[in-house]
Amino acid sequence: AQSVAQPEDQVNVAEGNPLTVKCTYSVSGNPYLFWYVQYPNRGLQFLLKYITGDNLVKGSYGFEAEFNKSQTSFHLKKPSALVSDSALYFCAVRDASGNYQLIWGAGTKLIIKP
Amino acid sequence: ETGVTQTPRHLVMGMTNKKSLKCEQHLGHNAMYWYKQSAKKPLELMFVYSLEERVENNSVPSRFSPECPNSSHLFLHLHTLQPEDSALYLCASSQVYQETQYFGPGTRLLVL
Repeated sequence: AQSVAQPEDQVNVAEGNPLTVKCTYSVSGNPYLFWYVQYPNRGLQFLLKYITGDNLVKGSYGFEAEFNKSQTSFHLKKPSALVSDSALYFCAVRDASGNYQLIWGAGTKLIIKP
Repeated sequence: ETGVTQTPRHLVMGMTNKKSLKCEQHLGHNAMYWYKQSAKKPLELMFVYSLEERVENNSVPSRFSPECPNSSHLFLHLHTLQPEDSALYLCASSQVYQETQYFGPGTRLLVL
């Protein structure tokens, strides 16, 4: 069965430190992978996606994600965290059945402390 | 931020009420989605409209009824809901066959 796992409910990072939010997936065929962010009382905003090509994908707000096929992972990273990065982060993978719908992880709450 | 709008932003209803959620997209997209978001759970896809045709989702109770009168508007009609239906309901849109979806701010629903 196709699935996305975000193993951490919450990640705490000090401001200025690097951050990583983990995502692993299970899908048949080549994965199309996404990261979205949700700020309080807002809808989800698209951050970045991997479809093909370079394993390191750069996105909005200084975020990047690394695709690792052997580990079936797509971790979100940022070299230096900001307090304003505090939000809920969702990983998603495209359904391989061809209907172009997304399968979502449960989300990881990122807290950046000053 | 204003590409996809949803009204109302908050809704409290009793189990015997009938209400509707509205979504409007200003992005020229031709696919629209309803999601249910509950705390610490993956987003649950409820309904998809692609080129104004509905993709069935058999796991959604019949007390939720979608309507898509045109490619810019999407409604979710609610009746005889249960307390466990309390959640954030998100609308999203995209171009058909494009996976990147754009979300509205959601309607926070409380069923008493």
